[in-house]
Amino acid sequence: SAVISQKPSRDICQRGTSLTIQCQVDSQVTMMFWYRQQPGQSLTLIATANQGSEATYESGFVIDKFPISRPNLTFSTLTVSNMSPEDSSIYLCSVVASGQGGTEAFFGQGTRLTVV
Amino acid sequence: EDQVTQSPEALRLQEGESSSLNCSYTVSGLRGLFWYRQDPGKGPEFLFTLYSAGEEKEKERLKATLTKKESFLHITAPKPEDSATYLCAVLTSNDYKLSFGAGTTVTVRA
Repeated sequence: SAVISQKPSRDICQRGTSLTIQCQVDSQVTMMFWYRQQPGQSLTLIATANQGSEATYESGFVIDKFPISRPNLTFSTLTVSNMSPEDSSIYLCSVVASGQGGTEAFFGQGTRLTVV
Repeated sequence: EDQVTQSPEALRLQEGESSSLNCSYTVSGLRGLFWYRQDPGKGPEFLFTLYSAGEEKEKERLKATLTKKESFLHITAPKPEDSATYLCAVLTSNDYKLSFGAGTTVTVRA
């Protein structure tokens, strides 16, 4: 299994500002993803964080709003830019490990963001 | 478009009262079905991956089964510490992106 550390665990931010969330994995992984979980809802994929190239965004998410960096195989950041109250959510980093034993997907503890 | 539906939305159980959660899916090609447990304020905790119809996996009081159209998570003799939201997700493509259901919130009373 992979151990994922996310920072910060929570933050309260003013509208119009930006927050960068860090995700550190204890092993090298190829596949890393960022999800959003809005209050009372399930998880929605924001983007795939690609090492050495631009992230791949899902429909409804754009790079200007959610820029992502992936400088190596153990680390990624997600920035939530020009925040509004609608961005208040839990943001989660995920990695997928796939091998002979099967496929498992692990999540960090999440970053609870409140925009005021 | 892939669809994942979980039922019921909420389940209240008495300690020791066994029950099942359902995850039905409509996908173009299932490569894996995942079950997670999520406690309030925390990230999802991986439980199982199921790959083909007829497959079963167990962990403590939890047992997951898979058919061609749905998966069940059976909770046997639950305890209050089994209270959580249980999420299922499907993997249908080679890019390892998961599609999640809305979850079932389980509350077990002592």
